Amino acid sequence: TQLLEQSPQFLSIQEGENLTVYCNSSSVFSSLQWYRQEPGEGPVLLVTVVTGGEVKKLKRLTFQFGDARKDSSLHITAAQPGDTGLYLCAGDPTSGSRLTFGEGTQLTVNP
Amino acid sequence: DADVTQTPRNRITKTGKRIMLECSQTKGHDRMYWYRQDPGLGLRLIYYSFDVKDINKGEISDGYSVSRQAQAKFSLSLESAIPNQTALYFCATSGDGWWHFGDGTRLSIL
Repeated sequence: TQLLEQSPQFLSIQEGENLTVYCNSSSVFSSLQWYRQEPGEGPVLLVTVVTGGEVKKLKRLTFQFGDARKDSSLHITAAQPGDTGLYLCAGDPTSGSRLTFGEGTQLTVNP
Repeated sequence: DADVTQTPRNRITKTGKRIMLECSQTKGHDRMYWYRQDPGLGLRLIYYSFDVKDINKGEISDGYSVSRQAQAKFSLSLESAIPNQTALYFCATSGDGWWHFGDGTRLSIL
């Protein structure tokens, strides 16, 4: 089983602050995804990164895939209370087959 | 209507009972999955299916079985439920590089 480790597990910050969540593995993934999950709902896909070194931006969120395709990061600029939620990274080892998930980072942004 | 619909949304039952969780999708995707989520463990794959005639075990399939009744329907069964199967269960589909998850079934086994 290919493991993905997320850090930190919990993060509580004030509105307007910046933050970074990390997702690391000793295994190579063909692609890596980031999800956001709110209570009572399923995970919602935010982005997929597929190329080593790739950087994608989604408004105030910046996603990066490591050069060796073993790690990824999610950076949020000027966090807002609406960013509160569980952020999950998930890796696909063989391109389109099945996902291995990290444990998740619970983010709370206080107004 | 939701792309991936799970029923029931909540279920409380007793040890030893047989339980079926159902999933239907309107995405037209061939690939469907069942995951369970436990606090601090993320989501773990139970079973997956790449088409109607294809069923594969995931990393935690013991105590579970599945049935792919049609392209749009994928059900998960617990033949004899035990308390450590208490969890949040998610059905998902994938296709065209995109994944869709249902809103989950919260299952409690007493």
